[in-house]
Amino acid sequence: EAQVTQNPRYLITVTGKKLTVTCSQNMNHEYMSWYRQDPGLGLRQIYYSMNVEVTDKGDVPEGYKVSRKEKRNFPLILESPSPNQTSLYFCASKREGGYGYTFGSGTRLTVV
Amino acid sequence: RKEVEQDPGPFNVPEGATVAFNCTYSNSASQSFFWYRQDCRKEPKLLMSVYSSGNEDGRFTAQLNRASQYISLLIRDSKLSDSATYLCVVNTSSASKIIFGSGTRLSIRP
Repeated sequence: EAQVTQNPRYLITVTGKKLTVTCSQNMNHEYMSWYRQDPGLGLRQIYYSMNVEVTDKGDVPEGYKVSRKEKRNFPLILESPSPNQTSLYFCASKREGGYGYTFGSGTRLTVV
Repeated sequence: RKEVEQDPGPFNVPEGATVAFNCTYSNSASQSFFWYRQDCRKEPKLLMSVYSSGNEDGRFTAQLNRASQYISLLIRDSKLSDSATYLCVVNTSSASKIIFGSGTRLSIRP
């Protein structure tokens, strides 16, 4: 089944403890992206990647890192999480020239 | 001004009603447009693309007005299962840069 898989689905962590949210797609898509969704603010892009080793900042990249060493994986790294990073995170992918993104099921992160 | 603006709703309409949402965008160079549907606590899913000529998919009709920079979604004969948040999405000149509206919440009552 074609899908984008995120892990974990839920995570509660403490301020400053490094964490990684994984994202993997099995559709051989070139484009991958991370979004966070907050009430009243909608979905905001954190980082995106157009292909292996090609990444760029979105609208809200502060406090996040990404890497794209393989086409299928696009992990999101929070080196020192803070409470304002508590949010619902979505990973998404699409093929080059394609239209809509396919989203993962989301990761609900709480930083205390 | 937000790049993509939607009325947040909620729209509360009876089953069988026709309901329409609009969405405005600020970047006149925007190239492609979509409507996504998001159920509570779930991921957004592509509902339909929007073309200048208008397009229809069953009970759903989407329109694009480039001159006035808005897109619309019309749902006819609404069903209880149509209850969701509808997200307007605009693709700028950069293929990977897509911008989401904050969404319009729709609730269909029996």
